[in-house]
Amino acid sequence: GQQVMQIPQYQHVQEGEDFTTYCNSSTTLSNIQWYKQRPGGHPVFLIQLVKSGEVKKQKRLTFQFGEAKKNSSLHITATQTTDVGTYFCAGRNTGKLIFGQGTTLQVKP
Amino acid sequence: GAVVSQHPSRVICKSGTSVKIECRSLDFQATTMFWYRQFPKQSLMLMATSNEGSKATYEQGVEKDKFLINHASLTLSTLTVTSAHPEDSSFYICSVASESNQPQHFGDGTRLSIL
Repeated sequence: GQQVMQIPQYQHVQEGEDFTTYCNSSTTLSNIQWYKQRPGGHPVFLIQLVKSGEVKKQKRLTFQFGEAKKNSSLHITATQTTDVGTYFCAGRNTGKLIFGQGTTLQVKP
Repeated sequence: GAVVSQHPSRVICKSGTSVKIECRSLDFQATTMFWYRQFPKQSLMLMATSNEGSKATYEQGVEKDKFLINHASLTLSTLTVTSAHPEDSSFYICSVASESNQPQHFGDGTRLSIL
């Protein structure tokens, strides 16, 4: 069945360093969504990408959708302690949304 | 955006107890709601899609007699974990989307602990 793989599983960075998480699907996706879950909290929607090669920015966050619509990435520039949490990608194919395993980001002040 | 209310936030009960979790869509009428299960430090696993006025659609491997879903109105879906055992301990979370391809809005989740 469809799989969405996300790497790395964990990332520890010093505050101010950059961070990237990668998402790969075994099948072509109609769209991909990114969510952030703070410790003890619930996932919160960040963004949705639909078009091949699409790039969207939210302040220090840059989201990309691959040309083949099978991979995506989230890049955070100059991390801050408020960026701590687990970032999930979720790919949609044939109507079903499949979540990646998530990347947990720790930021040392 | 949509606001989703999930209750209770935490349940601790004895083995063999049945536990009901409620999920309410406060901002719009939801013909479809989603129930997920999340183990510690793991991803969200879709358990079932709750359909208003009809039977829920369960994912492969999820026992429908174990996890009873009722979606009696456009704003409320319930998940009942029947005769819960320690292995059912987990974080259960519901979500709502205004349309099938739109972002999902999650409830705060229910942390279930079975002793």
